[in-house]
Amino acid sequence: DVKVTQSSRYLVKRTGEKVFLECVQDMDHENMFWYRQDPGLGLRLIYFSYDVKMKEKGDIPEGYSVSREKKERFSLILESASTNQTSMYLCASTQGQMEQYFGPGTRLTVT
Amino acid sequence: AQSVTQPDIHITVSEGASLELRCNYSYGATPYLFWYVQSPGQGLQLLLKYFSGDTLVQGIKGFEAEFKRSQSSFNLRKPSVHWSDAAEYFCAVAWTGGFKTIFGAGTRLFVKA
Repeated sequence: DVKVTQSSRYLVKRTGEKVFLECVQDMDHENMFWYRQDPGLGLRLIYFSYDVKMKEKGDIPEGYSVSREKKERFSLILESASTNQTSMYLCASTQGQMEQYFGPGTRLTVT
Repeated sequence: AQSVTQPDIHITVSEGASLELRCNYSYGATPYLFWYVQSPGQGLQLLLKYFSGDTLVQGIKGFEAEFKRSQSSFNLRKPSVHWSDAAEYFCAVAWTGGFKTIFGAGTRLFVKA
């Protein structure tokens, strides 16, 4: 059974903290994605990676960075968390333009 | 810019009634089309997909969708809704030659007894 896992289901952080969200996939997929999901806005792409050490900005990259040192792992970093980054964060992976496989999500609250 | 539109933010149907969720996308190269479902507190799960061939595709849980190129639409249907279908549904489109998939804003389905 294919699987995408995310390091935390729920996370509470303080303003200004550095936050790491980790995502691991076991399908040997080339492409990995980070989205944030907010009510009424659907999924918005933050960053994606199409190979190890390769990354591309999505639609809303400001305030975020990413790291992909190994094919199976894709990390999202909030350098200095702010309250407007309170959201649901979803990781996904895919091979080519096939369907995306999603993790369960991390609900991040920044206070 | 490429975009995906789900005109209905939420829909309420009675259990046992039929369902149609609408999805339109902006014109572009050959699209790859998807419908995903998200149950509360969960990630997204693929319901069905269209890449080529028969424009009526069958998916899991009794769902189907029809691709109409002339209308740039990919509407999702189910003949008889069950209470467990209450969830949020996302239409998504990828275009050939790109890495990205564009998601609609989602339609939340409520099912009443």
